[in-house]
Formats: sequence, structure tokens, C-alpha cells
Amino acid sequence: ILNVEQSPQSLHVQEGDSTNFTCSFPSSNFYALHWYRWETAKSPEALFVMTLNGDEKKKGRISATLNTKEGYSYLYIKGSQPEDSATYLCAFSRGRAGSYQLTFGKGTKLSVIP
Amino acid sequence: GAVVSQHPSWVICKSGTSVKIECRSLDFQATTMFWYRQFPKQSLMLMATSNEGSKATYEQGVEKDKFLINHASLTLSTLTVTSAHPEDSSFYICSATGGAGRRDEQYFGPGTRLTVT
Repeated sequence: ILNVEQSPQSLHVQEGDSTNFTCSFPSSNFYALHWYRWETAKSPEALFVMTLNGDEKKKGRISATLNTKEGYSYLYIKGSQPEDSATYLCAFSRGRAGSYQLTFGKGTKLSVIP
Repeated sequence: GAVVSQHPSWVICKSGTSVKIECRSLDFQATTMFWYRQFPKQSLMLMATSNEGSKATYEQGVEKDKFLINHASLTLSTLTVTSAHPEDSSFYICSATGGAGRRDEQYFGPGTRLTVT
């Protein structure tokens, strides 16, 4: 059984604050770690796919890091804006030829207060 | 690019009836589609993986005769919940791979909320 844990479950921040969330996953047979941003009533939107230990990716004010040896990834949001309010999901996949099945965490729900 | 639609967005049905949910890739050919469901306060759980033109592969604990999956074309997969019961009430969401991006990148539909009364 694969367990992907995300923390915190939810948080509220003031507009302009920076914040970060954690995703932990099994480190054995690692293939890729995905971050998604999911707004209510919309499709989950892919933010990052990371595969290499030490990977750091950035998209605007959002960035992510990956440590495959210890099995964790951090997502950072700099200068949070109300439009950043969403649930952030991480998902892990194991290397298996021809299969890219994702195991998801429960998500971190972010609310940015104007 | 890489847009996936799902229909309907919500449905209410009576116990014992069947419900069909459609998942379409609008601007790319989806070689593989995945079906997930999410119960309240839980994570998205993979139900099955389907490749165009072949039988779906179901995850442990998912009844293949109850959740019928058809992936007859590269742009359409359907999930039929047969003889639905209240415990099947859940949020069902599909994803697809095969776009211009990474092979392992999954593009999600917006989901379908099923309520069985």
C-alpha cells in the first residue's frame, strides 16, 4: 500500500504572506512526483512533474523541491494572492513499464484572505 | 491545449438504476484514460486504467461488473455505474494521457458528482 501524506490539511494566510506545504511519499521504486492545483468546480491543473532527486521547479510565484531519498517534496508560494486559493494535491507514481498510475494525497486546502 | 471534459457534471439517480459518465479529450488523442473516485475528506483513488481498444484494468476492490468502462476511441471513455446504490454516491473524475506533453502527465476532467437516492 502506497501512502502519500500531505500537511497541513488546510491553512489560511493573509494576502502577501508566503507559505509552504509538505508532501511525503514512499521513497522506494520512485518514478515521479506530481503537484496539482485544484480550484472548486474546475479540473485539477498540473503544476509540476519532478523525477530527479534535488529537482527544483518554478512557475511564477510557485516553486517546488524534491527529495527522493527521504521521500518528501515541498511546495512554496511566495506573496500569496486570493487567486491562489485552491486545494493543492501531490501524487506519486512508481516506475512500472507502461503504467503511470498516480497515488494521491488528500491535499492541502489553501485560503488566502484579502 | 490538453483539455478534458466530463459529462454530466452532476447526476442524481434512484437506487437500482444505471448511470453513464463520459470523459472526452477535446484536443488530443488519449491513449490511456484513468478513472478515479473521491469520497468526502479522502484522496482521489484510482478505480481503473483503460487503454483504447482493450479491456480496462481494475484496481483491487473495484468490481468490474459494476463499474463498466468502455474506451472505444482515442477521445472518449465512458464509465457506467450499474445498479447504483447509495454507497456508490461519490465524486468520479477521469484523466487522460497521450497529449503533446510528457507521457506520464495526466490531464483531468472537472469531475462528476453522483448521488444515489
